[in-house]
Amino acid sequence: GAVVSQHPSWVICKSGTSVKIECRSLDFQATTMFWYRQFPKQSLMLMATSNEGSKATYEQGVEKDKFLINHASLTLSTLTVTSAHPEDSSFYICRAAGTSGRNEQFFGPGTRLTVL
Amino acid sequence: DAKTTQPTSMDCAEGRAANLPCNHSTISGNEYVYWYRQIHSQGPQYIIHGLKNNETNEMASLIITEDRKSSTLILPHATLRDTAVYYCIVLRTNFGNEKLTFGTGTRLTIIP
Repeated sequence: GAVVSQHPSWVICKSGTSVKIECRSLDFQATTMFWYRQFPKQSLMLMATSNEGSKATYEQGVEKDKFLINHASLTLSTLTVTSAHPEDSSFYICRAAGTSGRNEQFFGPGTRLTVL
Repeated sequence: DAKTTQPTSMDCAEGRAANLPCNHSTISGNEYVYWYRQIHSQGPQYIIHGLKNNETNEMASLIITEDRKSSTLILPHATLRDTAVYYCIVLRTNFGNEKLTFGTGTRLTIIP
């Protein structure tokens, strides 16, 4: 079946640094990518939606200048957490969706970000 | 999209059928019921979805009431690996590119 990968699976960084998380759809064209974050013992919260070649649409309360999303190809989207702080520590999950009519939508395995 | 209500947690004995309820009393006629689950520290996994008819696949069965105001996900023979948080979500389309909004879900624990 379809697979969505994320890299890295976990990352630890110092406060103030930037971290890039990649999300790849491995065997289908992902016209839409969704980025979620999940704090411990909480549900997934949608951060933003991006369509290939377009600017991302951010959910209310999510800073677009802090969480930079790039969706330059049909198989790759990146989320960059700029100037990360401890409160950005979270589990970041992408979801890739295609439009072939087969209801393709798959979540990545997630990236655990810890900011010291 | 219609909101859903699920119990916070449930236990089920290993080997027994796990029945997870979901209320979606404000569902519209053209909205689908989707189920996902999330095993600890992993991304969510699609389980099944339906519109009006009951559905079955290799993972589970979905029973939707005639008035569509509630549904039940059935895991026929639960195993320890089915321990996860299960989310019931109502969507307007069955295309993959619609936003998914997750509620708090049901934390299912399979007891040995």
